[in-house]
Amino acid sequence: DQQVKQNSPSLSVQEGRISILNCDYTNSMFDYFLWYKKYPAEGPTFLISISSIKDKNEDGRFTVFLNKSAKHLSLHIVPSQPGDSAVYFCAASAVSNDMRFGAGTRLTVKP
Amino acid sequence: DAGVTQSPTHLIKTRGQQVTLRCSPISGHKSVSWYQQVLGQGPQFIFQYYEKEERGRGNFPDRFSARQFPNYSSELNVNALLLGDSALYLCASSAGLAGAETQYFGPGTRLLVL
Repeated sequence: DQQVKQNSPSLSVQEGRISILNCDYTNSMFDYFLWYKKYPAEGPTFLISISSIKDKNEDGRFTVFLNKSAKHLSLHIVPSQPGDSAVYFCAASAVSNDMRFGAGTRLTVKP
Repeated sequence: DAGVTQSPTHLIKTRGQQVTLRCSPISGHKSVSWYQQVLGQGPQFIFQYYEKEERGRGNFPDRFSARQFPNYSSELNVNALLLGDSALYLCASSAGLAGAETQYFGPGTRLLVL
């Protein structure tokens, strides 16, 4: 069962512009959402998270937005840099803390 | 501070064999989770252990088992390997079990079953 979906397998953005990665979920019990970044041959690296009591969390160039009514979250990267090129995974968890991941979006930032 | 460590980094096995993967969590973390990632997909939850007890299990067959030791390190065992078990196996640790705990991943063990 695909409880977390990332419908865009890839995204290409020019350096300096905004990257917007999207994620949808179906399980209304999810109350904690995370974004991970993954380079080849490495494990996922935690980027930013948001709990369901908030609708926005910001950390430097990274902002995550949560729309609970639409069961949708997004990650904004501003400004995008070539080093941001990686696969980005959206993840969600409920009280039990076992995370469900989307399939990932490959971001390419062109110089 | 050392992050999550996993061993071995790579492993080649043949069908029917058994494999044991190892994970050491971040110091102070008491929860360890295991995930399987196949090419083109996100990590799939296998197990979660907290304080040496299984606290969650994903949709994997009984060939998969795990345990957590008193020092909070963990092992994942897979018996009777199938070609489809070829994947990157990821271990993640978190301080506790609460839903709002961030999990931190190790580099993974890449298993190839021939």
